[in-house]
Amino acid sequence: EVQLVESGGGLVKPGGSLRLSCAASGFTFANAWMSWVRQAPGKGLEWAGLIKSKPDGGTTDYAAPVKGRFTISRDDSKNTLYLQLNGLKTEDTAVYYCATGALGLWGRGTLVTVSS
Amino acid sequence: DVVMTQSPLSLPVTLGQPASISCRSSQSLVYSDGNTYLSWFQQRPGQSPRRLIYKVSNRDSGVPDRFTGSGSGTDFTLKISRVEAEDVAVYYCMQGTHWPFTFGPGTKVDIK
Repeated sequence: EVQLVESGGGLVKPGGSLRLSCAASGFTFANAWMSWVRQAPGKGLEWAGLIKSKPDGGTTDYAAPVKGRFTISRDDSKNTLYLQLNGLKTEDTAVYYCATGALGLWGRGTLVTVSS
Repeated sequence: DVVMTQSPLSLPVTLGQPASISCRSSQSLVYSDGNTYLSWFQQRPGQSPRRLIYKVSNRDSGVPDRFTGSGSGTDFTLKISRVEAEDVAVYYCMQGTHWPFTFGPGTKVDIK
């Protein structure tokens, strides 16, 4: 079955860190560009960043609100995508979805709550 | 950043009647390769978003043919030919031409 499963969300204090994971199955992960999209409670969708496949350079791009604080990486041997969140702010509270590069496939999301 | 606007933001519809959502971008979405990377997403209550349409008018696998995307340049439309109860959702347009990719604010479709 083609699917993405996120994990690693939780409650963290402002300034803290968290690492999210996204396990992929059912498709050739190594060839896929992957994205992270977030959605604050009751709000719309915001593209956080993406990572290209290694054959396409493996580079990353980030949206301005997260650039310098969030890092996307991938382990193709484990079919897993990661999002390292550092320097968290209350405004980072959101459900974080991983998705294939053009957002054709989404996971169920994992909730990150930043609060003291 | 490219700003995506949608109208209306709320759309009450009668079952079996058509519905139309407009999406406009602050600049042309035609990419250097000639493609226009405009997609539409549906998010039902309590669910993850699901892509319906990509590159303006291409329907994703399993999407009913009552959903149609059209448009060009900066002006795009999603039409539902006959609204069904399962179409109650928030619909987002998104541009994937200019980084950072950006979404519209969403249009909430519900039943009158």
